[in-house]
Amino acid sequence: QVQLVESGGGVVQPGRSLRLSCAASGFTFSAFGMHWVRQAPGKGLEWVAIIWSDGSKRFYTDSVKGRFTISRDNSKNTVYLQVNSVRAEDTAVYHCARGTLVRAVPYNLDVWGQGTTVAVSS
Amino acid sequence: DIQMTQSPSSLSASVGDRVTITCQASQDIINYVNWYQQKPGKAPKLLISAATHLETGVPSRFSGSGSGTDFSFTITSLQPEDVATYFCQQYDDLPLTFGPGTKVDIK
Repeated sequence: QVQLVESGGGVVQPGRSLRLSCAASGFTFSAFGMHWVRQAPGKGLEWVAIIWSDGSKRFYTDSVKGRFTISRDNSKNTVYLQVNSVRAEDTAVYHCARGTLVRAVPYNLDVWGQGTTVAVSS
Repeated sequence: DIQMTQSPSSLSASVGDRVTITCQASQDIINYVNWYQQKPGKAPKLLISAATHLETGVPSRFSGSGSGTDFSFTITSLQPEDVATYFCQQYDDLPLTFGPGTKVDIK
């Protein structure tokens, strides 16, 4: 079955870095755009980043531009989120999600992972 | 950015009741709206795509309607397993944005 499994979260000090991973299975990973979406404790969902199926395009929400980098390895069926210079407000559960095409852009989030928790604390 | 306003923020209803949640977009998004169900500690589950399309395997008591800026999501007969938070989301443009969620529980 289609599955996304995130890993790499943990407790991290402000200003430090970590890399989140999302392993995909059950579908042709290289055919789909991939997203990261986060949810702060007690808050709603916030879209973070997207990468096109071939890695040719990447976009970010304003609050993470210059600090976060989304990437993928289609040979390993994995998408990554490099999180640098973490701030307290980055504390959240980070979900990866598959993006299916709508008007030729992979914006429709149809399958999500359960998420990995990032807690920023000194 | 496209803002998604969702109401109510929470509701309590009896088993068998009809429940409706509304979502309003800050601009015309045609029909590019999804509705998700999220239970605590779980991934969001896509129930309705393109405003009205019921995803495969989703019970028919769930439905969606609307276009342009005004959308609604209905559970025709609330069941105990429907206790969850429901979110709308627009995918007309980046950044993708979500409604703040509606927490549904049983009275």
